[in-house]
Amino acid sequence: RKEVEQDPGPFNVPEGATVAFNCTYSNSASQSFFWYRQDCRKEPKLLMSVYSSGNEDGRFTAQLNRASQYISLLIRDSKLSDSATYLCVVMNQGGKLIFGQGTELSVKP
Amino acid sequence: DAGVTQSPTHLIKTRGQHVTLRCSPISGHKSVSWYQQVLGQGPQFIFQYYEKEERGRGNFPDRFSARQFPNYSSELNVNALLLGDSALYLCASSDYRARTGNTIYFGEGSWLTVV
Repeated sequence: RKEVEQDPGPFNVPEGATVAFNCTYSNSASQSFFWYRQDCRKEPKLLMSVYSSGNEDGRFTAQLNRASQYISLLIRDSKLSDSATYLCVVMNQGGKLIFGQGTELSVKP
Repeated sequence: DAGVTQSPTHLIKTRGQHVTLRCSPISGHKSVSWYQQVLGQGPQFIFQYYEKEERGRGNFPDRFSARQFPNYSSELNVNALLLGDSALYLCASSDYRARTGNTIYFGEGSWLTVV
């Protein structure tokens, strides 16, 4: 079983749609949780950290359920510029980042 | 301020050769980590160095080695290259043994193709 598992993609959605990404992790001792965005042939970039209380940044909302070991990302009012691969990432005690395989999002006009 | 710099950006090697990839962290950052990203997958952790000492190693064969220099730059070495080593190699820099993702920065990566 992979340590971090994400929904298989790709997701193809029209502009303005709401899209949800789901992720589960296996190590209950994991300390920190993130969503990264990776554009084609570029390095991953931090999109947002994820907290148990839930956090929102504009059109993006992230949620963590430690009991279920489940992480989510919601994108509202999708833009063409949101097209990218979204990586669910967990940090362990040693500061090592463990990435999911990524879910590709394609937003169409 | 310069971000994380990696070199070379692209290279092609033949099976059996070795390769050295280089990374310069953000000024003041003492921790460098290396990740391998095969096409269609998320990055996989290879090594972490902090204050010039290895602090973590992923599930990679002994053909993979790394070191960190007194100026905190780092090299990743891969010997006896295999076709499966073709990947994007990412260097991540942080200012301490990172506790949050907000302090981790990736370089643009080195694209390695093994033929």
